[in-house]
Amino acid sequence: DTEVTQTPKHLVMGMTNKKSLKCEQHMGHRAMYWYKQKAKKPPELMFVYSYEKLSINESVPSRFSPECPNSSLLNLHLHALQPEDSALYLCASSQPQGDYNSPLHFGNGTRLTVT
Amino acid sequence: QKEVEQNSGPLSVPEGAIASLNCTYSDRGSQSFFWYRQYSGKSPELIMFIYSNGDKEDGRFTAQLNKASQYVSLLIRDSQPSDSATYLCAGITDSWGKLQFGAGTQVVVTP
Repeated sequence: DTEVTQTPKHLVMGMTNKKSLKCEQHMGHRAMYWYKQKAKKPPELMFVYSYEKLSINESVPSRFSPECPNSSLLNLHLHALQPEDSALYLCASSQPQGDYNSPLHFGNGTRLTVT
Repeated sequence: QKEVEQNSGPLSVPEGAIASLNCTYSDRGSQSFFWYRQYSGKSPELIMFIYSNGDKEDGRFTAQLNKASQYVSLLIRDSQPSDSATYLCAGITDSWGKLQFGAGTQVVVTP
């Protein structure tokens, strides 16, 4: 069983909807990540939070808005998405990176379809 | 551009044989490498990580890292049909933990 839990597992939304993806980790990690994965492609980084502060925003469109309420929770707020945003959204967590890099552990993902 | 390269396959392996997966990287500053297994429609699952030159073994899996030659490999011994999946090689390229993934190698284990 994964210790990084994502909800919902599936989400279908229209282009005018507002929805949120949620992620919770029980691994005691202090870094959390959002990745986006299209079919037959590797995951691509969207956001990194380290110690609840946004450390990287990979020039992701503003229709995606991350939030990290505490060290174990991570949200991704979605607004006015486009059909090309349909993908598997992955949450991951790790210890903050130091001299030796900490492995990322992924949740089961949310399959998002924008209609 | 910091890149991780993998042969996309598919790599067909008879059941019980050894599957050998290779990965090269361009960033000499990369310190750590990870192998993830991803079944179709599922999320990546960490199976091995390696920081130091040499071999690291865990059950049927052996990861090898050669920093001088900038390659990472994964051996799967006694391959099983359940090993059929896409294997993603990834390196961390900065202090924030950004994973740079290869394209993934699809492995098909045939009974």
